[in-house]
Amino acid sequence: GAGVSQSPRYKVAKRGQDVALRCDPISGHVSLFWYQQALGQGPEFLTYFQNEAQLDKSGLPSDRFFAERPEGSVSTLKIQRTQQEDSAVYLCASRRTGREQYFGPGTRLTVT
Amino acid sequence: AQRVTQPEKLLSVFKGAPVELKCNYSYSGSPELFWYVQYSRQRLQLLLRHISRESIKGFTADLNKGETSFHLKKPFAQEEDSAMYYCALSNTGNQFYFGTGTSLTVIP
Repeated sequence: GAGVSQSPRYKVAKRGQDVALRCDPISGHVSLFWYQQALGQGPEFLTYFQNEAQLDKSGLPSDRFFAERPEGSVSTLKIQRTQQEDSAVYLCASRRTGREQYFGPGTRLTVT
Repeated sequence: AQRVTQPEKLLSVFKGAPVELKCNYSYSGSPELFWYVQYSRQRLQLLLRHISRESIKGFTADLNKGETSFHLKKPFAQEEDSAMYYCALSNTGNQFYFGTGTSLTVIP
């Protein structure tokens, strides 16, 4: 079946613009994770959903970052008033309970 | 605080030689440790997890709680092993902490 998909794959935003990044998890996967991966770094945990409930958002770097998963399937990561330091690859992963995470291809965000 | 350290950003070995990618962690409880791999132009994927105690693609990793290490080893490297490798730690099962990665190149 289809894996985790993310859109757009590339996004260029001017500083101060708002962006929305979409993640379509594998059907039936209860858990969904967002990560931020800066150049030369490993993925950094942002937030975690179980179905529609956001159970952990401790990794969101500021209140400009907001994530939602209203129907327990597709998730959107929104970044308001983007800054240059937000430039990174944003990874989404989904998981059936207790099993391995499956990662999407990522969205590369460049803030100019 | 949880932390995962991969001291080598780049590692090159010759085909057929043994390879060891180092990973050290800091965590006060009982974490779960993982190795993830990213081949060129592919997605990040799980290679192995310590609780499975299995060998995947000839790779093994043993959790050493005394040394807080989870080094990844393979006795004979193959060219197709060239990739980026990330060590990761999970505390609750819902938060994952990744190292900065080691880029492995296997020289023919």
